[in-house]
Amino acid sequence: NAGVMQNPRHLVRRRGQEARLRCSPMKGHSHVYWYRQLPEEGLKFMVYLQKENIIDESGMPKERFSAEFPKEGPSILRIQQVVRGDSAAYFCASSQTPGETQYFGPGTRLLVL
Amino acid sequence: EDQVTQSPEALRLQEGESSSLNCSYTVSGLRGLFWYRQDPGKGPEFLFTLYSAGEEKEKERLKATLTKKESFLHITAPKPEDSATYLCAVQAPLRSNYQLIWGAGTKLIIKP
Repeated sequence: NAGVMQNPRHLVRRRGQEARLRCSPMKGHSHVYWYRQLPEEGLKFMVYLQKENIIDESGMPKERFSAEFPKEGPSILRIQQVVRGDSAAYFCASSQTPGETQYFGPGTRLLVL
Repeated sequence: EDQVTQSPEALRLQEGESSSLNCSYTVSGLRGLFWYRQDPGKGPEFLFTLYSAGEEKEKERLKATLTKKESFLHITAPKPEDSATYLCAVQAPLRSNYQLIWGAGTKLIIKP
């Protein structure tokens, strides 16, 4: 009974490169949420997706960040032209319906050099 | 403004020393309050959901309670393996029925 899976677990990029973070939700879940966590800070909502649809991207920076959840395959959070300030832990969560408990993956720790 | 505040920021206890963590919130129309546990380098692990004032839930040494303004996570006779950061989040339907507002967490350290 696999939980939420994320890869890679750690990602190192140089400034200006692209980062691609992947998330496979729990079996039976079709709602995916991405969060960012900085050290000693709470989780910050970035984007909420259903299959093939972005429902709410109000927490995601308008430039350089994008997310998708295709019909087949994992959800992807893409950060173009990374800067040092993008260094953080990025978590994906999934739920069966929008209002139900969100279950989290292990996160991807992005370090921008 | 919707807000969640957790206190204390950090708490050190001896093994077996019971205590409580606090999560106070100011949201318009609480739909649900969630407690998670987060170990270093890992994702948050779901513990409890509380929906209405007066509700209580228990799991092993943990008990969560809810009032109209705050929630407590009581830990009884803790063990070193209970050391973690405990996160509180609330769901406010006037904002959305899915978006969670998170506290910064309480870092709990249990010394053997």
